[in-house]
Amino acid sequence: ETGVTQTPRHLVMGMTNKKSLKCEQHLGHNAMYWYKQSAKKPLELMFVYNFKEQTENNSVPSRFSPECPNSSHLFLHLHTLQPEDSALYLCASTQGGPGFGTDTQYFGPGTRLTVL
Amino acid sequence: GQNIDQPTEMTATEGAIVQINCTYQTSGFNGLFWYQQHAGEAPTFLSYNVLDGLEEKGRFSSFLSRSKGYSYLLLKELQMKDSASYLCAGMDSNYQLIWGAGTKLIIKP
Repeated sequence: ETGVTQTPRHLVMGMTNKKSLKCEQHLGHNAMYWYKQSAKKPLELMFVYNFKEQTENNSVPSRFSPECPNSSHLFLHLHTLQPEDSALYLCASTQGGPGFGTDTQYFGPGTRLTVL
Repeated sequence: GQNIDQPTEMTATEGAIVQINCTYQTSGFNGLFWYQQHAGEAPTFLSYNVLDGLEEKGRFSSFLSRSKGYSYLLLKELQMKDSASYLCAGMDSNYQLIWGAGTKLIIKP
């Protein structure tokens, strides 16, 4: 148990659907991250929130919309996705914010997303 | 550009030793991380090296050579539960993580 939970664990959606991924961290950390993990590819950082403020958006398409209501919760809202968006979406948290040093990232188990 | 290279897949035998290599090119350097990820699970932190040399933690050790841009993870007395992907990540001068694609380690009895 890493202290970071994600729901749902698996999601299948059509290209016209709207769905949301949820992440919650129970570690008292201040920064939260969304990553995309595709088979045989490096982790792709999508969004970073530090103290609820978005500090990074790595040129992610607008069909992905993040929301961070507080330091413990992070959402990723999905709409009109493409089949190439099928991947494992990982949430992570760190004690300090990005650029604050060499904090270890604590990951959730991920949501396996399939877009039909 | 920034890049992390590691083998895609390795196979080893239970009870043996395996070394997983990682070479990195980053803009500046603030350390090298290794994470373990079992299939369908979260990546979990294994080690962090910022100075040259070997760091040992039980059956796992991690080595760093900054002059060569090289690190390895050494796993001894392999157990079936060590079957997982091992992710190498370098931290650049802005404390951003640059990730490798991971090495899938298969342990055979």
